[in-house]
Amino acid sequence: GDSVTQMEGPVTLSEEAFLTINCTYTATGYPSLFWYVQYPGEGLQLLLKATKADDKGSNKGFEATYRKETTSFHLEKGSVQVSDSAVYFCALSNTGGFKTIFGAGTRLFVKA
Amino acid sequence: NAGVTQTPKFQVLKTGQSMTLQCAQDMNHNSMYWYRQDPGMGLRLIYYSASEGTTDKGEVPNGYNVSRLNKREFSLRLESAAPSQTSVYFCASSEGFSGANVLTFGAGSRLTVL
Repeated sequence: GDSVTQMEGPVTLSEEAFLTINCTYTATGYPSLFWYVQYPGEGLQLLLKATKADDKGSNKGFEATYRKETTSFHLEKGSVQVSDSAVYFCALSNTGGFKTIFGAGTRLFVKA
Repeated sequence: NAGVTQTPKFQVLKTGQSMTLQCAQDMNHNSMYWYRQDPGMGLRLIYYSASEGTTDKGEVPNGYNVSRLNKREFSLRLESAAPSQTSVYFCASSEGFSGANVLTFGAGSRLTVL
């Protein structure tokens, strides 16, 4: 079945450091790929998405590129801030489907 | 715009007790979902409702029932709570039917079963 694997955390960075959170997936067909973010005490919210191969999703300085050849969707940000501290979830959903599959989540701590 | 509202935010139950988690959305979304979140396991789908009048099992439906009351509301019921159901529960909604299935989540309900 479909699955998502993302790097284990926690990831601890200093402010202004470069961030990469790795995500790989297994899926039939051509899924849409997502990154969701969960701030403390809140529900998940969409950070960015990509719906086809080579698409780049971007939002709030975060980027991820849909790489079909490596089945990956790694999250990157050039300069993290303390306010980026949260749990990040990679996810996939097959087009027209109703089942979104989530990775286990990666907790990010950013130190001032 | 409230988005997705779920109640209660916190609940403590004893083993064998029953309860219902309520969820409502005001975005005119067609599809609604219940997930549970456990440490190290991400989110797992319990049940979903693709459209008003339909419900389907997700990955972990055992011990739960759902009701799609109308287009806005989707409730999750635990008939006889067990300690294994201690978790954080999230309701979500989406437009459904086409394109990338972007989910909008509620703030979560933390349930402890003693």
